[in-house]
Amino acid sequence: GESVGLHLPTLSVQEGDNSIINCAYSNSASDYFIWYKQESGKGPQFIIDIRSNMDKRQGQRVTVLLNKTVKHLSLQIAATQPGDSAVYFCAEFITGTASKLTFGTGTRLQVTL
Amino acid sequence: GAVVSQHPSRVICKSGTSVKIECRSLDFQATTMFWYRQFPKQSLMLMATSNEGSKATYEQGVEKDKFLINHASLTLSTLTVTSAHPEDSSFYICSASGQQETQYFGPGTRLLVL
Repeated sequence: GESVGLHLPTLSVQEGDNSIINCAYSNSASDYFIWYKQESGKGPQFIIDIRSNMDKRQGQRVTVLLNKTVKHLSLQIAATQPGDSAVYFCAEFITGTASKLTFGTGTRLQVTL
Repeated sequence: GAVVSQHPSRVICKSGTSVKIECRSLDFQATTMFWYRQFPKQSLMLMATSNEGSKATYEQGVEKDKFLINHASLTLSTLTVTSAHPEDSSFYICSASGQQETQYFGPGTRLLVL
């Protein structure tokens, strides 16, 4: 079946460096993608989203890139901080009757001092 | 931003009992609410989708008679785990969406069945 997945289960980054978290998706019908941050014992927190008619979107310290040709999504975090340590999930959304999110497997980001 | 709360935040119950988890949208009307289950070190798995005033739509493999969902108002949905067993122990997370498609997630409920 179609799925959303991540390349790296764990990413260790030094404080101040940039982080890049990757995600591959396989459903070409997906038209909306979201990155969530989940801290231990908490619910997912919305970070940034992007629609399929865009290839880049920037937020505060974060940038999401979408490459529809290879069905790849990435989240870039600039100047990574200890507070960025968490599990990051990409999710795909297919508008329509169901309108439900499908989550990827997640990447744990560890920020070292 | 939109705020979604869950109650309780954690619950411990005996095997065979039922547990109710509440999900509330505090500052917006949620036409659709979603219930997810997350096992340790795993991703969120959608259990069911509920629209206010109608029956929930369950994902394949999720027993509707075991996981009762009620979405009686635009700000409240409840998930009742009936006859809970240890394998039902998990982190249950709800989300809510209103006019726009963005889902806002609750803080989760940790269920431990002894």
